Amino acid sequence: KAGVTQTPRYLIKTRGQQVTLSCSPISGHRSVSWYQQTPGQGLQFLFEYFSETQRNKGNFPGRFSGRQFSNSRSEMNVSTLELGDSALYLCASSLEASGGYNEQFFGPGTRLTVL
Amino acid sequence: LAKTTQPISMDSYEGQEVNITCSHNNIATNDYITWYQQFPSQGPRFIIQGYKTKVTNEVASLFIPADRKSSTLSLPRVSLSDTAVYYCLVSGGGADGLTFGKGTHLIIQP
Repeated sequence: KAGVTQTPRYLIKTRGQQVTLSCSPISGHRSVSWYQQTPGQGLQFLFEYFSETQRNKGNFPGRFSGRQFSNSRSEMNVSTLELGDSALYLCASSLEASGGYNEQFFGPGTRLTVL
Repeated sequence: LAKTTQPISMDSYEGQEVNITCSHNNIATNDYITWYQQFPSQGPRFIIQGYKTKVTNEVASLFIPADRKSSTLSLPRVSLSDTAVYYCLVSGGGADGLTFGKGTHLIIQP
């Protein structure tokens, strides 16, 4: 069974631009969560989607948004990029929307660099 | 809001048993305790989950006392490859259960 895939793996943008990251969950998994990881702040939760609905949300500004499609694939968008948005963005999938009850399977991440 | 507290870092040696304790004083009745392991430049990987007493799998054991205000992840006979960051989460169905925090950086020496 294929794991969680994320595209692209690496991305370089400049301040003010916007970016869209994509995540394909494990087949059969219906929940997708997104995380931002930086050396200073650690691993921070962005949002969780299940059945195309946002179920849980972390403490991030509105520039960070996401959506989930009917096939459970998810995208996250960051608008008006800032230098501080440079990070590893991780996507995780689980069978059901869980708020952590169910095991999460993580993808390899997208490394975003904002110049 | 069940916040967790764990040591920032720990050191041990190959072959030793390592115990990492996590405090979660405000744990709710329906919360579970979940531990993940993360290597550099990789996403976290699930290790173990429990509700009370003791849970054991092929890689670790999880000890949870009766009051459930803390939990201890036990790694038997660690090796160099166990050097990683370990996260404790209290999973109650909301965003708290998806909050990883800073974790414990475990360094295993030869």
